[in-house]
Amino acid sequence: SSELTQDPAVSVALGQTVRITCQGDSLRSYYASWYQQRPGQAPVLVIYGRDNRPSGIPDRFSGSSSGNTASLTISGAQAEDEADYYCYSRDSSGNHLMFGGGTKLTVL
Amino acid sequence: QVQLQESGPGLVKPSETLSLTCTVSGGSISSYYWSWIRQPPGKGLEWIGYVYYSGNTNYNPSLKSRVIISVDTSKNQFSLKLTSVTAADTAVYYCAREVYSYGNRYFDYWGQGTLVTVSS
Repeated sequence: SSELTQDPAVSVALGQTVRITCQGDSLRSYYASWYQQRPGQAPVLVIYGRDNRPSGIPDRFSGSSSGNTASLTISGAQAEDEADYYCYSRDSSGNHLMFGGGTKLTVL
Repeated sequence: QVQLQESGPGLVKPSETLSLTCTVSGGSISSYYWSWIRQPPGKGLEWIGYVYYSGNTNYNPSLKSRVIISVDTSKNQFSLKLTSVTAADTAVYYCAREVYSYGNRYFDYWGQGTLVTVSS
């Protein structure tokens, strides 16, 4: 089992808000970064650190963290947000890195 | 604009060694971590490991006995070697630049990925 746990699939109605979560003991001490991956494409960084967006990422993407859970929130989801989303952080030992299992987001 | 490009054989025989190179252009390989990530068909991302520009490495414990990642700063390249491959190593392999700043770790640039199939 993954030490960074994500829900396999989440759906959201067009224009509504959705939160994608990532749980793991390491997240009590370290931030996660989040990646969007559309089919057939390389992943793209959407959030890093406490709540930082790279240039070019829409401000509807935001990040937060509480306890052992990191969250990616999309406020006003658009059709183009339909993709797989992965969190990335340290494993529970703190010595290595890992991705969560990924969440497939469907925009209805 | 930094660009990364993977290169290497797309087909490797079982029990042989998978070798890939990532060429970095548009920026220096210095002062960053350089990583390999893979994705089996239809599955999620798996961190393989990284090499710091100084040569220090860190590997996924599940692959550590079979992996070597190295860097050649004179060529602005870093490489992956994975020994004793099996069909389970069939995947799209990505190279990526990792930033480590103020405790934050994230990949800001990725290669397009290259599919490596392990088959006889």
